[in-house]
Amino acid sequence: DGGITQSPKYLFRKEGQNVTLSCEQNLNHDAMYWYRQDPGQGLRLIYYSQIVNDFQKGDIAEGYSVSREKKESFPLTVTSAQKNPTAFYLCASSGVAGLSTDTQYFGPGTRLTVL
Amino acid sequence: AQKITQTQPGMFVQEKEAVTLDCTYDTSDPSYGLFWYKQPSSGEMIFLIYQGSYDQQNATEGRYSLNFQKARKSANLVISASQLGDSAMYFCAMRLMNTGFQKLVFGTGTRLLVSP
Repeated sequence: DGGITQSPKYLFRKEGQNVTLSCEQNLNHDAMYWYRQDPGQGLRLIYYSQIVNDFQKGDIAEGYSVSREKKESFPLTVTSAQKNPTAFYLCASSGVAGLSTDTQYFGPGTRLTVL
Repeated sequence: AQKITQTQPGMFVQEKEAVTLDCTYDTSDPSYGLFWYKQPSSGEMIFLIYQGSYDQQNATEGRYSLNFQKARKSANLVISASQLGDSAMYFCAMRLMNTGFQKLVFGTGTRLLVSP
């Protein structure tokens, strides 16, 4: 089945540690995105990538880093510089970067808790 | 600045009845798209329906329809014949079409509870 997978589903981290969240898609989509969701709030964009080897900061990129070495993969690293990393992280992808009517499809999410 | 407002934190509806979830938006750009997503307790965001700012007719997808009133800047989601499985968070989102990438701006969501 085509879709977006995220792993792990739950992640616990000690303060001061970097962690990497995985996002893989087999939809042959060009564009991929990372969002953060806090309780009672909507989603906020962390990073996005329209093409392999290229990515841009979103609204809340501080304390995060990404890479896009393969079309199907867009891992997110939450660094120790992120002051409040406990949140639900959602990865999304869309077919053609910049196409106005294209829809973003989401993965199942990773819930990160900092202990 | 672009903004989405969902004023209903929670809504209750009985099974088989229709329910309307409100969404208003703010943008000065004439070209935009409006989306509704469903988020069940599992967390995944499920795409429901899309409406473009230049679309002449209201969008429909099965039991979902979008009541698009451009002059009022509203894009309410109507769910007909509610089912127990419709209980979830619902998010309205907007995307500007003239930007270089597909940034979605989300509202804070409405929690829908369908009772038997």
